[in-house]
Parts: sequence; structure tokens; C-alpha cells
Amino acid sequence: GDSVTQMEGPVTLSEEAFLTINCTYTATGYPSLFWYVQYPGEGLQLLLKATKADDKGSNKGFEATYRKETTSFHLEKGSVQVSDSAVYFCALRAWSSNTGKLIFGQGTTLQVKP
Amino acid sequence: EAGVTQFPSHSVIEKGQTVTLRCDPISGHDNLYWYRRVMGKEIKFLLHFVKESKQDESGMPNNRFLAERTGGTYSTLKVQPAELEDSGVYFCASSQGPAGLAIQYFGAGTRLSVL
Repeated sequence: GDSVTQMEGPVTLSEEAFLTINCTYTATGYPSLFWYVQYPGEGLQLLLKATKADDKGSNKGFEATYRKETTSFHLEKGSVQVSDSAVYFCALRAWSSNTGKLIFGQGTTLQVKP
Repeated sequence: EAGVTQFPSHSVIEKGQTVTLRCDPISGHDNLYWYRRVMGKEIKFLLHFVKESKQDESGMPNNRFLAERTGGTYSTLKVQPAELEDSGVYFCASSQGPAGLAIQYFGAGTRLSVL
């Protein structure tokens, strides 16, 4: 079945460091791919998405490119801030989905220190 | 516009008791989803409503879980009787439009602790 694998956390970085959180997926066809973020005490928020191969999603300085050849959707940010500390979830939605259900990875906790 | 609201935010119960979680979707959203995250693992789909109808309940763990969406507005998820392994964070999400295309908006979740 479809699945998403994220790098293990927690990830601890200093402010202004470069961030990469790896995400790979297994799915048939052309799933849509998402990154959601959960800040402390809040709900999941959509960070960015991509719906077809080679699409780049971007938001708040974060970027991820849909790579069909490597089945990956790695999240990157050039310079993290303390306010980026949160749990990041990679997710997919099957291309043939009628229900729209999301399949998530296990989440990666990011802690940014000043 | 209000987002997806869930309550309670945290519930602590003993094994064997009953708990009911509630979700109020964004007004006008026909699609409503329940998900669960157990012990820091991945968030897993439980079920999907379109208005008051269950479209997909393939993720419901067993018959101790009952979800309802009366009148196609708010939804409840009842666990009866609760077991230790039911502990986790229960998320609700809603969306508007074709389910296979629409963006899902999530609530803050209900943390359930079964002792």
C-alpha cells in the first residue's frame, strides 16, 4: 500500500542554519504531496504542496520539489528561525483517491536554538 | 472565519470508560475527517464523512469506535469501552469541494489518555 517515510527526529539546529527534512514515498501513479506543520499547542497547518512531478511548492521560505524519479519530496529552508520550531509532517494523497484521505509520515520534530 | 474546533483539548479517562470527542468543522465544509496519532507515530486516517454519510471508514480500528455526524454539521467520535492502546491525539479535518482535490484544514486535536 501507499506509504510515506520521513527522517527520524528530533532535528536540532542553530538559528540561520540550513534545514533539510527528508521525505520519500511509495505510491502508484501520481500522488499529490504535502508538508504540514504543527506549532506547539496548535493544529496542523498546510505548509506547502505539489501535485505533479517537478512541481516546487514554497511558503514562508520553505521549499520542496516533487521528484518522481527518486519518489521524494524533501523539505528545505535556507535559514531557520527559532519560530520554525515545530513538528513537520510529510503526507501524500493518492492520485485516484475519491475520499481525499491523507497518508502521513511519522513526523519530524525541529528545534531551533538561538 | 472560525477554523476547525475540537474539544475537549485533553481527556484523561480510565480503561473501560467511555469518552466522546467532538469536532466542529469550518462552516460549509461538507467533507469531515478523523485521524489519529498514537505514541509519536504517523498520523493515521480513521474515516471520512460527506455531509452526514460515511464515505470511508476503513481506518476505524474496531467496533469500540463509533463516529457520527448528525445533520451534516459537527461530528462526534465515541470510544466505548476505552482501552490503553486508544491513547493518542485525535485530529479532525474538514474540506470543501471534491474530496480528492480539496485542501484539508485541521483542528488542534484532542489528546486522549487512557490510564
